[in-house]
Amino acid sequence: GAGVSQSPRYKVAKRGQDVALRCDPISGHVSLFWYQQALGQGPEFLTYFQNEAQLDKSGLPSDRFFAERPEGSVSTLKIQRTQQEDSAVYLCASSLTRGPPNEKLFFGSGTQLSVL
Amino acid sequence: GQNIDQPTEMTATEGAIVQINCTYQTSGFNGLFWYQQHAGEAPTFLSYNVLDGLEEKGRFSSFLSRSKGYSYLLLKELQMKDSASYLCAVRDGGATNKLIFGTGTLLAVQP
Repeated sequence: GAGVSQSPRYKVAKRGQDVALRCDPISGHVSLFWYQQALGQGPEFLTYFQNEAQLDKSGLPSDRFFAERPEGSVSTLKIQRTQQEDSAVYLCASSLTRGPPNEKLFFGSGTQLSVL
Repeated sequence: GQNIDQPTEMTATEGAIVQINCTYQTSGFNGLFWYQQHAGEAPTFLSYNVLDGLEEKGRFSSFLSRSKGYSYLLLKELQMKDSASYLCAVRDGGATNKLIFGTGTLLAVQP
């Protein structure tokens, strides 16, 4: 596709449910990032993939959060046993390489997760 | 630690000029980005600075002073469609080369 695509656009979960959020990056993009954006805040880094390798997961807030990118393209962010504090917009971003410093990230519109 | 500060909100008048400031203290630095984000939409790239000085791109300009840990985004000839959140982000230069974002500045342009 022309841009980064995320689905679902909105997700409502009951506390304790598991959710899976999908990201389709721009075709051919090597780098993929997940960010969490709380209301009125800037995006907070969660995790980074270079192709299928998860090179940085330092931003994942707990072991309930898990991300994968098994074939180096589509990525899934999974949250187990959701809590109310998980309510946020989850943004996915991709870039062509992890090369030059001026290489920009292209963001998707995000998945808005509401945990009741 | 990582600290990026921006004003939370600003208001300006259509046709005017507005300057949005950003100060940063980060463990690494490999450039500074500005992104625009309309409500409910994806952040979109506006500018990148890695050297000191002013970068101009149409109605938008961005300035960087690395010694002061300071940047600003200048928006000229404001239009109503410029009402959005403006995000300052530092590329940390580590193995991930990830962007670290500030909280964003919500700009309201009034007629």
